[in-house]
Amino acid sequence: SQKIEQNSEALNIQEGKTATLTCNYTNYSPAYLQWYRQDPGRGPVFLLLIRENEKEKRKERLKVTFDTTLKQSLFHITASQPADSATYLCALYSSASKIIFGSGTRLSIRP
Amino acid sequence: SQTIHQWPATLVQPVGSPLSLECTVEGTSNPNLYWYRQAAGRGLQLLFYSVGIGQISSEVPQNLSASRPQDRQFILSSKKLLLSDSGFYLCAWTSGNADTQYFGPGTRLTVL
Repeated sequence: SQKIEQNSEALNIQEGKTATLTCNYTNYSPAYLQWYRQDPGRGPVFLLLIRENEKEKRKERLKVTFDTTLKQSLFHITASQPADSATYLCALYSSASKIIFGSGTRLSIRP
Repeated sequence: SQTIHQWPATLVQPVGSPLSLECTVEGTSNPNLYWYRQAAGRGLQLLFYSVGIGQISSEVPQNLSASRPQDRQFILSSKKLLLSDSGFYLCAWTSGNADTQYFGPGTRLTVL
């Protein structure tokens, strides 16, 4: 069956360190994969998209990698700050306009 | 610019009562529209999506239904709510190539 999994439910790291979140999928061949940020009580907000023919994409302190052989995406936040604390969701374009989300990783950055 | 509205923001309903949640999008035409539900501390579960007026794809068989009476309006309904229908309901839209989803503010539904 098709699955999209974010391995950690929660991740706690020290301010200034790099946070690395993982997203794995099975039985999909997505044309692209996305990462979103969600704050409590709010809808998710789009952060980055990476296509199947791209290995890496960056935006300010954010970096996303996409390995279609491993069926995995890694999401990095460098020089993390307490304001980066949120839930991060990966999502992939399945087919026919359908977008499927992982369960999310709750990231906490302690000062 | 595009905006997406959802209402109501919060709703408390008794078991067995009907439900109607509305979502409208402004500033774009022919969007793909989506309804998701999020249980507390969980990920987003895709409920319905629509690529055009009157076209609804259902992902999860349950007592909910969706309709798209106009291009930029998407409605989530139920004839009789269950306790398990409680959750955070999110509407979203994308352009035709579906490369970015934009979410509404959500409706917090509590069924008692």
